[in-house]
Amino acid sequence: SQTIHQWPATLVQPVGSPLSLECTVEGTSNPNLYWYRQAAGRGLQLLFYSVGIGQISSEVPQNLSASRPQDRQFILSSKKLLLSDSGFYLCAWSKGQGARETQYFGPGTRLLVL
Amino acid sequence: AQSVTQLDSQVPVFEEAPVELRCNYSSSVSVYLFWYVQYPNQGLQLLLKYLSGSTLVESINGFEAEFNKSQTSFHLRKPSVHISDTAEYFCAVRTQGGSEKLVFGKGTKLTVNP
Repeated sequence: SQTIHQWPATLVQPVGSPLSLECTVEGTSNPNLYWYRQAAGRGLQLLFYSVGIGQISSEVPQNLSASRPQDRQFILSSKKLLLSDSGFYLCAWSKGQGARETQYFGPGTRLLVL
Repeated sequence: AQSVTQLDSQVPVFEEAPVELRCNYSSSVSVYLFWYVQYPNQGLQLLLKYLSGSTLVESINGFEAEFNKSQTSFHLRKPSVHISDTAEYFCAVRTQGGSEKLVFGKGTKLTVNP
């Protein structure tokens, strides 16, 4: 069966510090990978998605970036965090096309920028 | 572009009462529809989905949702809720034959009181 991992689970960082959040998927190959941010009262916002190694699409302009150095690894980064980057970050994976394609989510990373 | 509206941000109910969480969507093309549940401090779990066929879909824990194309709705219902159903519920849509990206509503927080 497939599993998705995220770490760290919780992170407290000062404004202006760098960020690196990691997501890995096990039990499948060549998945689609997604990064979402969940802010209080605002639902889920898609930040990035990737259909393959080195292929990243950005959904919203921001000071965050994403990379996919390996097939089942997806990294969310920032060079300098802002207060507004605080939130709950969720990674998701999917596979298949059309009706068979369903997204499955990781446990999330809660980021607090102070 | 697609959009999802969850009309109630919070729904408090008593244990064993029925509940309906409302979801309406807007799309110029046919869509697939999903309900996800998020328990406190956890990631999202797929609750149920409508892909095609019967417009009434059910989950393993007693929830059901009915796709109504004319009203562009996909309301989630349960005839008798438990304390353990306390969570946030997200409705999401994805276009058929298009991008794999999901568009989420802002969520409805269901609180079941004893």
